[in-house]
Amino acid sequence: TQLLEQSPQFLSIQEGENLTVYCNSSSVFSSLQWYRQEPGEGPVLLVTVVTGGEVKKLKRLTFQFGDARKDSSLHITAAQPGDTGLYLCAGDYNTDKLIFGTGTRLQVFP
Amino acid sequence: DTGVSQNPRHKITKRGQNVTFRCDPISEHNRLYWYRQTLGQGPEFLTYFQNEAQLEKSRLLSDRFSAERPKGSFSTLEIQRTEQGDSAMYLCASSLQGSQPQHFGDGTRLSIL
Repeated sequence: TQLLEQSPQFLSIQEGENLTVYCNSSSVFSSLQWYRQEPGEGPVLLVTVVTGGEVKKLKRLTFQFGDARKDSSLHITAAQPGDTGLYLCAGDYNTDKLIFGTGTRLQVFP
Repeated sequence: DTGVSQNPRHKITKRGQNVTFRCDPISEHNRLYWYRQTLGQGPEFLTYFQNEAQLEKSRLLSDRFSAERPKGSFSTLEIQRTEQGDSAMYLCASSLQGSQPQHFGDGTRLSIL
């Protein structure tokens, strides 16, 4: 059974601070997606990473895929209140369905 | 591209009643997925379709749950004899084909009284 762990579960920071969210698995991913979800809405896709060691940037967000394709991180630089939300990583283990982590709930205070 | 559309957005019903949700995927997306999300958790996979064929069902999908995608376009998820434990957000996602990124709708929030 694949298990996907995210940490931290909760993060409360001031505007302008940097933060990193981690996603770890005991199994190798075929690919990994990061989503952001706001209350009452569905997850919105931020990025997909496929290749071990891959780094992708989306404005102030930097996504990294581990060399062994078992872990990933999301780094946000100079966080803003608009970054507030639930960040979910989801792994595809070549089974055509996504396994989601429990999420990291981020609160950025002005 | 209007995105994945789900109806209704909210459903409140009494225990024991049947409910049906609808999902309209992004047009030309062959894959359609159903997930369930409870408070404080990430979404959990329920089932998925390749066109009209239902290819996999999770053990979470008890006999009271049934999903269809009759013409390979929209899909319905029905829950019969609802129980309090069925209260959750039911999310639908679609993708162009397998192993492609999944795009989610805004879900149907089900509350069982």
